[in-house]
Amino acid sequence: GEDVEQSLFLSVREGDSSVINCTYTDSSSTYLYWYKQEPGAGLQLLTYIFSNMDMKQDQRLTVLLNKKDKHLSLRIADTQTGDSAIYFCAATGSGNTGKLIFGQGTTLQVKP
Amino acid sequence: EAGVTQSPTHLIKTRGQQATLRCSPISGHTSVYWYQQALGLGLQFLLWYDEGEERNRGNFPPRFSGRQFPNYSSELNVNALELEDSALYLCASSFQALAANEKLFFGSGTQLSVL
Repeated sequence: GEDVEQSLFLSVREGDSSVINCTYTDSSSTYLYWYKQEPGAGLQLLTYIFSNMDMKQDQRLTVLLNKKDKHLSLRIADTQTGDSAIYFCAATGSGNTGKLIFGQGTTLQVKP
Repeated sequence: EAGVTQSPTHLIKTRGQQATLRCSPISGHTSVYWYQQALGLGLQFLLWYDEGEERNRGNFPPRFSGRQFPNYSSELNVNALELEDSALYLCASSFQALAANEKLFFGSGTQLSVL
């Protein structure tokens, strides 16, 4: 079935890099997304990658995709306290279902 | 440009009542999606509307229903509320259907509490 998994918690020091990992099961997922959720808020789209790419960089964010292993990662360079949030990985389901399959979310704690 | 707006922000109901949640998509977006974010269960896909039609629904009972209006805004109705319906309900919209390299933009959600 369709599934997306993430580790639940990551703690880093301010100024360090953060790497959040995600694995997915559906090899037909064409797009993979990273969303950020701050307390009491909805989801903010951070970045996305098409399945035929292996890397995408957007300012402090770098997305790496290993399609063979169905592994996605989000690297945040120079992590700031404002980056503290829950980060969700999501994959499109197979077919045109309109559905995104979300991971459980990784809570990123940034210590000053 | 306004983002996806949802109302109300918070809603308190008792068991057995009905709840109506509303969503206005980003101007120009025709697809609207509903997700439930319950504690411990993550984000679960509820419904997808496009051009006024229900295109897909997730694994939820029929007491979860909705509609999309001609102006592309949407309502989610939950009948016969149960305690486990307490959750954050998130609405999202996209310019076209998700498969066409579209990005979902989410609203801030409606926090439904069932007492």
